[in-house]
Amino acid sequence: DVKVTQSSRYLVKRTGEKVFLECVQDMDHENMFWYRQDPGLGLRLIYFSYDVKMKEKGDIPEGYSVSREKKERFSLILESASTNQTSMYLCASSLEGTSWRGYTFGSGTRLTVV
Amino acid sequence: DAKTTQPPSMDCAEGRAANLPCNHSTISGNEYVYWYRQIHSQGPQYIIHGLKNNETNEMASLIITEDRKSSTLILPHATLRDTAVYYCIVKGRGSQGNLIFGKGTKLSVKP
Repeated sequence: DVKVTQSSRYLVKRTGEKVFLECVQDMDHENMFWYRQDPGLGLRLIYFSYDVKMKEKGDIPEGYSVSREKKERFSLILESASTNQTSMYLCASSLEGTSWRGYTFGSGTRLTVV
Repeated sequence: DAKTTQPPSMDCAEGRAANLPCNHSTISGNEYVYWYRQIHSQGPQYIIHGLKNNETNEMASLIITEDRKSSTLILPHATLRDTAVYYCIVKGRGSQGNLIFGKGTKLSVKP
């Protein structure tokens, strides 16, 4: 089975800190995604990537950036954490093209910014 | 904008079939219907998808109406572990476009 691993399950950071959320997948998937999930708002797409060194903005990219230097790793960066970025962050990956079978999600990182 | 409409919540007795409806009246010809579920504090999990034929796998069955404007996810023998939020999503085949999650249906399986 494909595994998507997020480096931390719970994280507490201070306002203004630079925060790195790491995601690694082990099945050579081309596509990777970062979502955040908030009560009443559902899952919202932040950024995604279809290939190494490529990135595309999702619906709510403000305050975030991403890095994809290797195919298996997709990092989400909060340049200067703020309390409104307290949320559950979910990483996902998928194959490209006709082999597409859906997204595989990680278990999530619950980030609290104080 | 959400392309699907689902009831916000449903209850089901343990051991009975759970039938979760979804309306997608604006679905286009090349869009598939996907179902995911999210158990509390975990990432969403892929269940099943289909285009126009009914589909079945080890987790569930998917019934799509002939006009494709609605579908039903069936969990044949619901267990307590099936308590989760179930999302119905329409999307084109392959990697084009992204999954857009609506509010889903909170299914509560009761003993």
